[in-house]
Amino acid sequence: QKEVEQDPGPLSVPEGAIVSLNCTYSNSAFQYFMWYRQYSRKGPELLMYTYSSGNKEDGRFTAQVDKSSKYISLFIRDSQPSDSATYLCAMRRTSYDKVIFGPGTSLSVIP
Amino acid sequence: NAGVTQTPKFQVLKTGQSMTLQCAQDMNHEYMSWYRQDPGMGLRLIHYSVGAGITDQGEVPNGYNVSRSTTEDFPLRLLSAAPSQTSVYFCATYEGGANVLTFGAGSRLTVL
Repeated sequence: QKEVEQDPGPLSVPEGAIVSLNCTYSNSAFQYFMWYRQYSRKGPELLMYTYSSGNKEDGRFTAQVDKSSKYISLFIRDSQPSDSATYLCAMRRTSYDKVIFGPGTSLSVIP
Repeated sequence: NAGVTQTPKFQVLKTGQSMTLQCAQDMNHEYMSWYRQDPGMGLRLIHYSVGAGITDQGEVPNGYNVSRSTTEDFPLRLLSAAPSQTSVYFCATYEGGANVLTFGAGSRLTVL
């Protein structure tokens, strides 16, 4: 079993919908949680990061971490066709540790 | 400031051949790592390094070697290529304590 699990999708939603992307993990030592977005044939780029439990909001994006359930989420409000990409969750134990990624969820936002 | 430079961008190998994927960074980042990306598998960590002279295995290290003799370079060696190593390879770095992984543009490898 992988340390980080993620529903691979594909997920298809209409423009303007609220999107919920989720990851579960098995290692309770993870403390730093990140979401990366990857467009086709490009390298991943950081979208959000959160330390420990709680919520973080940045524009249309909200990241949530529930360490007691080993569950993290990314919400996208008012989704746009430009949000169509693969979303990868990532995490690590300490600020100097290796970064482990989930398998990624492919999202399509239909105009 | 070039960031993270990977070479080559594309490579075709025959089974059993050896090659080295190069990764160079000019940001003085302590942490460097190699990932492979396959459809439906996300990014899987091959090897990583937290500084010159220090390397460690990731999730899928078999068939790959690395070394870190300088802060700037972190080459990935395939000693005897296999078709299962057909993939897109990404080098990624971060400054210790930072939260942003900086990725290279990727190297697409095909092993026939």
